[in-house]
Amino acid sequence: QLQLQESGPGLVKPSETLSLTCTVSGGSISSSSYYWGWIRQPPGKGLEWIGSIYYSGSTYYNPSLKSRVTISVDTSKNQFSLKLSSVTAADTAVYYCAGPVGYYGLGIAFWGQGTLVTVSS
Amino acid sequence: SYVLTQPPSVSVAPGQTARITCGGNNIGSKSVHWYQQKPGQAPVLVVYDDSDRPSGIPERFSGSNSGNTATLTISRVEAGDEADYYCQVWDSSSDHPLVFGTGTKVTVL
Repeated sequence: QLQLQESGPGLVKPSETLSLTCTVSGGSISSSSYYWGWIRQPPGKGLEWIGSIYYSGSTYYNPSLKSRVTISVDTSKNQFSLKLSSVTAADTAVYYCAGPVGYYGLGIAFWGQGTLVTVSS
Repeated sequence: SYVLTQPPSVSVAPGQTARITCGGNNIGSKSVHWYQQKPGQAPVLVVYDDSDRPSGIPERFSGSNSGNTATLTISRVEAGDEADYYCQVWDSSSDHPLVFGTGTKVTVL
């Protein structure tokens, strides 16, 4: 079974760039026609999709975050990454990496445990 | 962008049936997926493509989708089913292809 694990700083200063990496184990990130993605959840609130990347590298971003988001994939390390620039307190959330879409139909098959990122000086 | 509306809360007695709705414009034409999230844990996929279950998910969880409403049904509710539930759709032709519903808190009385 696929497993996903987020890694990265838990504290980011306002105006800086949030960077997280997701390591996938139990399978290849580049196998089949899979999408991988990032989702966040502010404390006490619902789920917000940030963006997704196709195994080939094509990306899709939430229009409300698109100007600040970059998602990339490193197939040699079986990882994909998130960069969110110019962060503010509103970006404080638990960040999940998840995927693939395409394993169980168009649902998101597996999720990382999540990592809390706090934006504060 | 596409909006998915869920009731904020649903209460159900043990052994009874819980039904959680997810409303969206012509949602019946899309594939709907459902996630269960318990406090402090990551979401878990419980129904995909309207009505299919991933391996390991009990048959008590079922889904349907028609018109403007998709429904997750939990039969013979157990205390362990108490959680937040989110619906989700994926449409690669949209500029906002992945949308989550607002979430429903299921309370087992």
